[in-house]
Amino acid sequence: SAVISQKPSRDICQRGTSLTIQCQVDSQVTMMFWYRQQPGQSLTLIATANQGSEATYESGFVIDKFPISRPNLTFSTLTVSNMSPEDSSIYLCSAETSGIGGEQYFGPGTRLTVT
Amino acid sequence: GESVGLHLPTLSVQEGDNSIINCAYSNSASDYFIWYKQESGKGPQFIIDIRSNMDKRQGQRVTVLLNKTVKHLSLQIAATQPGDSAVYFCAESALAGGGTSYGKLTFGQGTILTVHP
Repeated sequence: SAVISQKPSRDICQRGTSLTIQCQVDSQVTMMFWYRQQPGQSLTLIATANQGSEATYESGFVIDKFPISRPNLTFSTLTVSNMSPEDSSIYLCSAETSGIGGEQYFGPGTRLTVT
Repeated sequence: GESVGLHLPTLSVQEGDNSIINCAYSNSASDYFIWYKQESGKGPQFIIDIRSNMDKRQGQRVTVLLNKTVKHLSLQIAATQPGDSAVYFCAESALAGGGTSYGKLTFGQGTILTVHP
C-alpha cells in the first residue's frame, strides 16, 4: 500500500485568488492523479500527473485553471487558479502502486471553500 | 466521464447482518474494478479489487462478485459492524499505458451504508 498526505487539509479562499495543494507519497510511484469531489457526490478525475512531462487533463479541465507539477516520483501539486465559488470542493490526490495493474490509494483530501 | 449523484442510494442494516452493495458499470472495455470505503471527512479507502478474468474474490469479511455479462459488480460485507458505516464507491478502469497501468478510474455514484447497533 501507499500512505499519502495532503496539505492543506482545508482552506477558505477569496474569489480571484489561487491555492496550491501539495501531495506527498511515502514511496516512489509511477502514476499520480488528481480528483475532485463535490459534497455528497462521487469523484471526478481532473488529470494524471506525469513525472517529467505535462499533465494529462480530462475533458472539462484545462491546464490554465488547474496547473499541475510532478517534480519527482513521490510529490505533486495541484493549483486551483483564479478561484470562484464553483471551485468549492474536495480535492484528492491518488497514487497507483508500482507494477502491472497496481492498486490506487487516496490522500485524505483538501476541502476548499471559495467565498 | 463524470459521475454525478445528488441523491445517493442508501442501505440500512442491523449489526451482525450481511450487507450487499451493488454497482452497475457502463464500459464493457473495463477490466479492473475496485471498491472503496469513504468515511466522513476522509479520502476513499481501498477495500478490494478484482480483474475481469475473475468473477469472485474474497478478502477479510468482504467478497466482490463480478458479472461481466450484465456489467454488474457487488460488494458483500459479512457480519456488518457499526464501523462499516460509510459511503461505498465502486470504480472501474481499463488497462492502459502499454499494459502497465490501470490509470484513471471512473467512479460510480456511491451507496451510503448505515449499520444500526
